[in-house]
Amino acid sequence: SAVISQKPSRDICQRGTSLTIQCQVDSQVTMMFWYRQQPGQSLTLIATANQGSEATYESGFVIDKFPISRPNLTFSTLTVSNMSPEDSSIYLCSAPVYQGDTGELFFGEGSRLTVL
Amino acid sequence: SQKIEQNSEALNIQEGKTATLTCNYTNYSPAYLQWYRQDPGRGPVFLLLIRENEKEKRKERLKVTFDTTLKQSLFHITASQPADSATYLCALQVGGYQKVTFGTGTKLQVIP
Repeated sequence: SAVISQKPSRDICQRGTSLTIQCQVDSQVTMMFWYRQQPGQSLTLIATANQGSEATYESGFVIDKFPISRPNLTFSTLTVSNMSPEDSSIYLCSAPVYQGDTGELFFGEGSRLTVL
Repeated sequence: SQKIEQNSEALNIQEGKTATLTCNYTNYSPAYLQWYRQDPGRGPVFLLLIRENEKEKRKERLKVTFDTTLKQSLFHITASQPADSATYLCALQVGGYQKVTFGTGTKLQVIP
């Protein structure tokens, strides 16, 4: 299993500012995923973060808007840049723990951002 | 386009009954299908995984079926309890790729 801590848990931000979300895992993991969950919606994958390489972004998400760092095997950050009210959402980091060829995802508690 | 669809409306059932949630997908060939539970304000929690070559998987009061011909999974909770009230998400993992794609989720309410 894995325990994932995220911070901040929530924040209220002004339009045009940027916020960095931190994600700490209690064990070393190869991959980490960042998801967005808009109110009443399901999870949408933003990007996959591997240690030692650039993050891989999903369609509709770009590095300039959501820069990601992955400095080691237990930590990652996601920055939401130049925020607008449309960025108000819950941002979740997750990491897979594998048993054989299958992995279950462990999630942090999420960071709820409100952009005014 | 690829879609993972679950019952969009909330499912209300009486305590003690069996809850059945549906997950349908199109334009995917998943190697694995997973089910997660999400409580309000919390991150999803993994429940069960079923492989493409498995028809059924059980864990305590939970049962998952996987029909790759129908492109459908059914998730059953037997002897449901109010504590089972939550949103349940199905998720697909395509073989060879690590990322997991989530469905729309179904909110379950078990009424005492």
